[in-house]
Amino acid sequence: QVQLVQSGAEVKPPGSSVKVSCKASRDTFNTYGINWVRQAPGQGLEWMGGIIPVFRTINYAQRFQGRITVTTDDSTTTAYLELSSLRSEDTAVYYCAKDRHPYYHPSGSYTAFDVWGQGTMVTVSS
Amino acid sequence: EIVLTQSPGTLSLSPGERATVSCRASQSVTSNYVAWYQQKPGQAPRLLFYDASSRATGIPDRFSGSGSGTDFTLTISRLEPEDFAVYYCHQYGSSPLTFGGGTKVEIK
Repeated sequence: QVQLVQSGAEVKPPGSSVKVSCKASRDTFNTYGINWVRQAPGQGLEWMGGIIPVFRTINYAQRFQGRITVTTDDSTTTAYLELSSLRSEDTAVYYCAKDRHPYYHPSGSYTAFDVWGQGTMVTVSS
Repeated sequence: EIVLTQSPGTLSLSPGERATVSCRASQSVTSNYVAWYQQKPGQAPRLLFYDASSRATGIPDRFSGSGSGTDFTLTISRLEPEDFAVYYCHQYGSSPLTFGGGTKVEIK
């Protein structure tokens, strides 16, 4: 069964950075894109960006440009989300989510997300 | 950016009733690339449909997805107790990918 396993909860002061990890299987890592989606308490879902690990091709939502960095570690088949200059509004559950179809799908398009990590709570507080 | 507007915000229904959730896009969604997710408290979202009407693996056939262009619909023909949850639409036709605000289906 395909799984994405995320790192544990974090508490960070305003102005600092946080780095959340998402471990995938080798097959998933080599074949599918990984996305980051966040959800503030009691709110909806917000896509932040995504990466195709095998090519390190990255796409960020413009509103996070300059504060977001998505990376991967091939040796551990892990994707990372780093968010800097944290503010209280960044308090949220951060999810990684796998693309439904592989990067070589003929549509060449974005996809729905068929497997999600368990989520990582990030609290920004002094 | 494509804005997705879901309605209603909350649907109060009894088990066995039919639920209909609407998702309207601010502009036409490329190739009807719309997905629907179900989310229960404390859980990650679960994919129900992709490409507007293609059912994801393991999703019961009481769920159906339809629509095209700017108007999309999720229908649950007869609500089961486990169907009471929040539902989100999602467009992946163009970047940035966006989600609707969610519709809570609650027990009446």
